[in-house]
Amino acid sequence: DVKVTQSSRYLVKRTGEKVFLECVQDMDHENMFWYRQDPGLGLRLIYFSYDVKMKEKGDIPEGYSVSREKKERFSLILESASTNQTSMYLCASSYEFGETQYFGPGTRLLVL
Amino acid sequence: AQKVTQAQTEISVVEKEDVTLDCVYETRDTTYYLFWYKQPPSGELVFLIRRNSFDEQNEISGRYSWNFQKSTSSFNFTITASQVVDSAVYFCALSENKRETSGSRLTFGEGTQLTVNP
Repeated sequence: DVKVTQSSRYLVKRTGEKVFLECVQDMDHENMFWYRQDPGLGLRLIYFSYDVKMKEKGDIPEGYSVSREKKERFSLILESASTNQTSMYLCASSYEFGETQYFGPGTRLLVL
Repeated sequence: AQKVTQAQTEISVVEKEDVTLDCVYETRDTTYYLFWYKQPPSGELVFLIRRNSFDEQNEISGRYSWNFQKSTSSFNFTITASQVVDSAVYFCALSENKRETSGSRLTFGEGTQLTVNP
């Protein structure tokens, strides 16, 4: 079974803090993705990576950065958290183009 | 630009009723993939089905069935004899053809909240 894990299910941070969200997949997938989900806006792609040390901006990259030092791990970084980054963050991975993306359980982030 | 529209924001049915969730998509690609995911209250997106643009055969899996029609750019999902455990948000998604990076981006619809009442 494909397994995608995320470091936290719930996270509470203060405005201005640096926040790290970690995602690990165990299926040797090439591609990894970070989405955020907000009511009424659906899922929106923040960043994705198609290889180690490679990354591409998604639709809403502002205020975020990513790191992929190892194939199995993809980190999302909020350099200075703001209240408008309160959201559900979902990580996913897939083997290649057209293949299914498998999602982690999500991290609900609250920025106060 | 690709787009996925799920016009039904919320649907409420009584257990054992059949229910159809609509999905309409737009793309200029000739090769693409369509997906359905289920998101129960726990939050994790669960993969249900993947269909490529060259395969218009309908698919049935237990109480679930999918109707793909390229002529109307639709990929509808039907649950037969619904159960309370089917209550969830259901997302339709379209995979972009981005071979140069193998990015396989997904464009999601906004989701349909299905509530099945006992």
